[in-house]
Amino acid sequence: GAVVSQHPSWVICKSGTSVKIECRSLDFQATTMFWYRQFPKQSLMLMATSNEGSKATYEQGVEKDKFLINHASLTLSTLTVTSAHPEDSSFYICSARAGTQPQHFGDGTRLSIL
Amino acid sequence: QKEVEQDPGPLSVPEGAIVSLNCTYSNSAFQYFMWYRQYSRKGPELLMYTYSSGNKEDGRFTAQVDKSSKYISLFIRDSQPSDSATYLCAMEGTGKLIFGQGTTLQVKP
Repeated sequence: GAVVSQHPSWVICKSGTSVKIECRSLDFQATTMFWYRQFPKQSLMLMATSNEGSKATYEQGVEKDKFLINHASLTLSTLTVTSAHPEDSSFYICSARAGTQPQHFGDGTRLSIL
Repeated sequence: QKEVEQDPGPLSVPEGAIVSLNCTYSNSAFQYFMWYRQYSRKGPELLMYTYSSGNKEDGRFTAQVDKSSKYISLFIRDSQPSDSATYLCAMEGTGKLIFGQGTTLQVKP
């Protein structure tokens, strides 16, 4: 149980384009979803927290207009990287939780901006 | 000082060894303690989840929490090459997970 699916797993795109990443909880209803960014050989850095039907709460230093988060249902959250540039290249990971249960993570999306 | 301290390693052991991984923390508000395993280019996988001080065992894995010392451990018995990964401790007290840096473990056949 507690499976989180993230899609796509790898995306390469040109600078200036927007990229959407999907995160789905497959076998439970996720009251809260989280988006993280991970640089090579570093731990996960929380970008934002979203509750179903509410606006996301962004961590300090994360640009809201650059990283758009939508949590439209109890099983789906999306992260859109708008007007992506090479410095946005990274490994993005989502997680989901039901109530106070522990977070379960997706397998991440490797984003490469050329 | 970081809220959670974890030795990044790398830690290299022979197959069959007992592995001990540790984290210390400074925030007394942490109530939930987790260990995640992360393989290269994959998301973290939940291994152990504990709430209170004491031990919790699941197969070859044992998690220990000592709140009085602000110290948590993960033991892996009969380690296998497939255990080679990065192990992240994580703690929660206010709705956010705070991660350690992660310890890279290599189990050699």
